[in-house]
Amino acid sequence: AQKVTQAQTEISVVEKEDVTLDCVYETRDTTYYLFWYKQPPSGELVFLIRRNSFDEQNEISGRYSWNFQKSTSSFNFTITASQVVDSAVYFCALSEDPTGTASKLTFGTGTRLQVTL
Amino acid sequence: DAGVTQSPTHLIKTRGQQVTLRCSPKSGHDTVSWYQQALGQGPQFIFQYYEEEERQRGNFPDRFSGHQFPNYSSELNVNALLLGDSALYLCASSPDREGYGYTFGSGTRLTVV
Repeated sequence: AQKVTQAQTEISVVEKEDVTLDCVYETRDTTYYLFWYKQPPSGELVFLIRRNSFDEQNEISGRYSWNFQKSTSSFNFTITASQVVDSAVYFCALSEDPTGTASKLTFGTGTRLQVTL
Repeated sequence: DAGVTQSPTHLIKTRGQQVTLRCSPKSGHDTVSWYQQALGQGPQFIFQYYEEEERQRGNFPDRFSGHQFPNYSSELNVNALLLGDSALYLCASSPDREGYGYTFGSGTRLTVV
């Protein structure tokens, strides 16, 4: 069965600090996808990034970067120079798609990030 | 282009009652999934609809049922409400392609008293 673990329940940082959110996953499939979503207080889950299991290249998008390591089953997310607007709950999710169709997401329990001035 | 829209935004029901939540997917999306998010937890998959059929189902009792209409919109029905059904119910839509990722609505906050 697939599982996603986000061990950090809550992180507090001061604005401009860098912060890394950890995500460890378990799956028996060789083909899978990993996602990060952001959930602000409004409740809507906002898509941030998607990686497939065959692409281990790290990615940078503005102040966001992602480190995918299959050897340790981890997909960590770093925010550089954090801002107050980054305050939200961040979820890591896993999707196994052996049939080639859209498949369910298994979410971690989330990490609440609080950025203060 | 509107994203996923859900209604109502908030709902208060009494134990034992029935509730229907509604979802309109993002334009161009034909797959709709429903998730339950309890306070302080990650979303839990309830079920997925494609071509008006339930294609996948999570570990939820039969009290939870759904429907998808020809225009891809969807409903989630919950019968015999329990206090433990209080949660944020999220609808997500996607094209039917592997690994595409989902667009989520803002959810319906259901409180059972």
